[in-house]
Amino acid sequence: GNSVTQMEGPVTLSEEAFLTINCTYTATGYPSLFWYVQYPGEGLQLLLKATKADDKGSNKGFEATYRKETTSFHLEKGSVQVSDSAVYFCAREEVGGAQKLVFGQGTRLTINP
Amino acid sequence: GAVVSQHPSRVICKSGTSVKIECRSLDFQATTMFWYRQFPKQSLMLMATSNEGSKATYEQGVEKDKFLINHASLTLSTLTVTSAHPEDSSFYICSARVAGLAGGPFPGEQFFGPGTRLTVL
Repeated sequence: GNSVTQMEGPVTLSEEAFLTINCTYTATGYPSLFWYVQYPGEGLQLLLKATKADDKGSNKGFEATYRKETTSFHLEKGSVQVSDSAVYFCAREEVGGAQKLVFGQGTRLTINP
Repeated sequence: GAVVSQHPSRVICKSGTSVKIECRSLDFQATTMFWYRQFPKQSLMLMATSNEGSKATYEQGVEKDKFLINHASLTLSTLTVTSAHPEDSSFYICSARVAGLAGGPFPGEQFFGPGTRLTVL
């Protein structure tokens, strides 16, 4: 079926550590891929996106590359900050749909000072 | 940036009552709004897609008579949970998509509300 699977949390890191949150997807075709972030008490915000294979989305020091060979869109950041503590959701757009999104289960990230 | 609000943020009701949740786009017009449901430690599940002035499109398995959606204007959509029961307790989230291809750095982006926590006793 069509789904998004992301790394189970929670993930706890120290400030300035390297971050990777894995995300893989299944889909027919080549859907757009997204990472959303949800800070405590707030709605989901789009962090970055990639619309085709080999595209790299980037924002606020985060990066993710659309890998069609491995059907993956892993989120990375070289040096995390306490303010990056949030829940991160990987998502893909449903191919042929009205921009409907299919989400992964979310990964809670906590950064300790 | 585009802001979406939801009201109420939290509601507790008795079994059998109906609850209305509002979703508003505060500074932009949204031709399409989406309603999601999120269970604890689980993903967001799309319930329905709502287009202004037309009937909502429900996802498979979602009862349209149970979850009434009205999208009467370009800035407001409502979700009414009718005859709520404890199993309807959940976190309900809406999102709004900017009309056309506008939307700042991400054209067509969905902007999400902060969610409404529904508890049915």
